[in-house]
Amino acid sequence: SQTIHQWPATLVQPVGSPLSLECTVEGTSNPNLYWYRQAAGRGLQLLFYSVGIGQISSEVPQNLSASRPQDRQFILSSKKLLLSDSGFYLCAWSASGGTLAKNIQYFGAGTRLSVL
Amino acid sequence: LAKTTQPISMDSYEGQEVNITCSHNNIATNDYITWYQQFPSQGPRFIIQGYKTKVTNEVASLFIPADRKSSTLSLPRVSLSDTAVYYCLVGDPFYGQNFVFGPGTRLSVLP
Repeated sequence: SQTIHQWPATLVQPVGSPLSLECTVEGTSNPNLYWYRQAAGRGLQLLFYSVGIGQISSEVPQNLSASRPQDRQFILSSKKLLLSDSGFYLCAWSASGGTLAKNIQYFGAGTRLSVL
Repeated sequence: LAKTTQPISMDSYEGQEVNITCSHNNIATNDYITWYQQFPSQGPRFIIQGYKTKVTNEVASLFIPADRKSSTLSLPRVSLSDTAVYYCLVGDPFYGQNFVFGPGTRLSVLP
């Protein structure tokens, strides 16, 4: 079966520090990968999605970047965190092709980031 | 992209059936309707997906009228553990990045 791992669960970082959040998927090949951010009491905002290694599309211009160095690894980074980067970050995957799973997204447990 | 509208919040009591309606007036021919459930501090979890008419699984039913401009998620006999936020998404399954999560409906199940 497929599993998605996301870490760390919580993170407290000072303003101006770098960030690296990692997400890995097991049990599937060539998944579509997504990074979302959720502010308190709000819906999910899609930040990045990837359909393959090295292929990253950004939905919202911001202080963050994403990379996909391996097929099932997705990394969210920042060189210098801002206060506004605080939030709940979620990684998700969906099956490529869409014929069977109809692009259902499966989410990780999330990372609660507090920038102080 | 098809925009969706759902109630911000709903209250119910244990054992009742809950129906959450989502409006999507500009749904496209290739779009599917997908519902997710999210508990606090967790990622959303897939509940059900459909294209037209009625879909049922072990958790919920999804009713979609012929014009597909709305859909209704039906949760039978809710329990306290069904208290969560429910999201309705509309999009072409071949373009997953186009599924937009709105604010969702916050369901509170009372004893």
